Amino acid sequence: NAGVTQTPKFQVLKTGQSMTLQCAQDMNHEYMSWYRQDPGMGLRLIHYSVGAGITDQGEVPNGYNVSRSTTEDFPLRLLSAAPSQTSVYFCASAPRGTQGPGELFFGEGSRLTVL
Amino acid sequence: KQEVTQIPAALSVPEGENLVLNCSFTDSAIYNLQWFRQDPGKGLTSLLLIQSSQREQTSGRLNASLDKSSGRSTLYIAASQPGDSATYLCAAPGGSQGNLIFGKGTKLSVKP
Repeated sequence: NAGVTQTPKFQVLKTGQSMTLQCAQDMNHEYMSWYRQDPGMGLRLIHYSVGAGITDQGEVPNGYNVSRSTTEDFPLRLLSAAPSQTSVYFCASAPRGTQGPGELFFGEGSRLTVL
Repeated sequence: KQEVTQIPAALSVPEGENLVLNCSFTDSAIYNLQWFRQDPGKGLTSLLLIQSSQREQTSGRLNASLDKSSGRSTLYIAASQPGDSATYLCAAPGGSQGNLIFGKGTKLSVKP
C-alpha cells in the first residue's frame, strides 16, 4: 500500500531557484495538505485542499504555490527559494470527516536546504 | 485562535512503566482530536482519532481520552517498551476548515 508518496526526499537549492515538491495519494482522499516542520516551531500548515480544483491558504503560505487538478496529486511549488524555506516538508491526506478532515495520513517528508 | 500545548516536552521512563502524555487546547469547539507518533527522520503516523462525541479511544496498549470542557486530552501508554521511544504529537482543528494545529510534541524515551 503506497499511501502518501512524496518526492524528492532530499533537495538542495540555491537562493532564487524554483522547484516543485510532488505529493500523491492513492486512498481517494478529498483532503490534502502541506506542512513544514521546523525545530522549536512544530508543524505549520502551508496550504490545503478540500477537493480537486479547490485550494486555500494555511498559516504560512507566503512563497509557496499549490494547485489540485486531480484528487490524487497536490504539488507544492517554491517560486523563488529563500534560506528561510529550509525545512522539512510533509504532505498529508485525509478523508472527509464530520466537519473537516478525518484521520490524517502523512508522507515520509522532503528535506529541503536553501543555500 | 487555537493553541495546542503539550507538556512535558521530554520524558524518560524505565521499561514497563505506565505513563500519561498531556495535550491541552484553548478552543474547545473541536470536532475531533488526533494523536500521532513521529520517529526520527520519519513522517507522522496516526495513532488515535477521537471524535468530539467520544470520550476515549483505545488501540492496543494506547488509550486516548478527550475532555472538551476542560480543553484537555491525554494519551495513556501501558507497559511501556523501548520501541515506544518516539515523539508524540497531538493536533486539534484550528477553526478554518482544514486547518489542524499541532502541539510541539513530547519526546519519549523508554530505557531498557
